Amino acid sequence: GENVEQHPSTLSVQEGDSAVIKCTYSDSASNYFPWYKQELGKGPQLIIDIRSNVGEKKDQRIAVTLNKTAKHFSLHITETQPEDSAVYFCAATTSGGYQKVTFGIGTKLQVIP
Amino acid sequence: EPEVTQTPSHQVTQMGQEVILRCVPISNHLYFYWYRQILGQKVEFLVSFYNNEISEKSEIFDDQFSVERPDGSNFTLKIRSTKLEDSAMYFCASSQGRHAYEQYFGPGTRLTVT
Repeated sequence: GENVEQHPSTLSVQEGDSAVIKCTYSDSASNYFPWYKQELGKGPQLIIDIRSNVGEKKDQRIAVTLNKTAKHFSLHITETQPEDSAVYFCAATTSGGYQKVTFGIGTKLQVIP
Repeated sequence: EPEVTQTPSHQVTQMGQEVILRCVPISNHLYFYWYRQILGQKVEFLVSFYNNEISEKSEIFDDQFSVERPDGSNFTLKIRSTKLEDSAMYFCASSQGRHAYEQYFGPGTRLTVT
């Protein structure tokens, strides 16, 4: 089955700096890669995703990149703000069937004001 | 904005006891899921449920586990005889379609087995 590795497990950045979280996956059949943000007391919420036919996607201050050959993908947050502090999960899944999501272990991001 | 809710937020139980974790999915959603996260480990898929039956389950979801949609609004996960290693955060999710990007997650129930 799919295995998703994520690093770092914790990340502290100064407000305004960029944060980068990296993930790798094992199953070459995976073709959809969501990223989730989990704030305290809440469940994971989808913040951005990327499909295998795209190399990069951007939404305001967040961007994701995907390298299918190397089987890795990354989340980039620019101009970080204190409200970006949360746990971020990368994940992978395949199309077809009922899409269970395979998660990475999570990265706790702390943005220091 | 509609959201998935879960009760209780924290459940403490003794080993060997039965527990039922409850979820109220978003009202027009048709697909339902349970995931769990043991402290310090990954969020793991347990089971998906559609049309009143299990559509897929993981190796974790053994005979001790069962799911039910008893009344058309709640979606429950029952653990028949809890073990210490069942201690985890349990997340319910629901989606209108079968695609991962449509899954909305609840806030989780922290289960502690003593």
